[in-house]
Amino acid sequence: ETGVTQSPTHLIKTRGQQVTLRCSSQSGHNTVSWYQQALGQGPQFIFQYYREEENGRGNFPPRFSGLQFPNYSSELNVNALELDDSALYLCASSSDGTRYTGELFFGEGARLTVL
Amino acid sequence: GESVGLHLPTLSVQEGDNSIINCAYSNSASDYFIWYKQESGKGPQFIIDIRSNMDKRQGQRVTVLLNKTVKHLSLQIAATQPGDSAVYFCAERASNDYKLSFGAGTTVTVRA
Repeated sequence: ETGVTQSPTHLIKTRGQQVTLRCSSQSGHNTVSWYQQALGQGPQFIFQYYREEENGRGNFPPRFSGLQFPNYSSELNVNALELDDSALYLCASSSDGTRYTGELFFGEGARLTVL
Repeated sequence: GESVGLHLPTLSVQEGDNSIINCAYSNSASDYFIWYKQESGKGPQFIIDIRSNMDKRQGQRVTVLLNKTVKHLSLQIAATQPGDSAVYFCAERASNDYKLSFGAGTTVTVRA
């Protein structure tokens, strides 16, 4: 167990809908990253939040947005869902000293299916 | 496109044998490399990392080798056990970047 919890873990939406995924970081971690993992692929970086601000973003459109709260928990919001958004969404947390390393602690992921 | 990839999508290994998982990368700016293990239904788990100023690093039953000349990374698992069955990803990061770029993964199956 990494101490990173995500909710919900499975959900089904229809095209055009909106979804919010939540993540609680490991105790003491102030940095949260979100990754999208399509079936059979490696995770793809969406964005990272540090002290409530987005400080890095991958090649994802603006309809992917996020938030980080004072307790360092985070949300990933996806608007206008498309079929290709079906994937496992992974949240990872890290601390100040490991923000730029690979010592990320991943949650179990949220499996999103868009019909 | 992705800057990190793996040579083989699957690897079958006899229990007790050593495993070698290979990875090629194309980004010359990458200076930090990591191996992750992902079991079914779980998130990736950090195994071992290596910086570009090193050629080899050892952990418990695992060794990572880095060949910067040919942009190649490998993970060696000694005395492979059934619990090592998983998908293994290599990932890389460029200097002072926060983003990790993952390859597509190698599925390792351990035969009893």
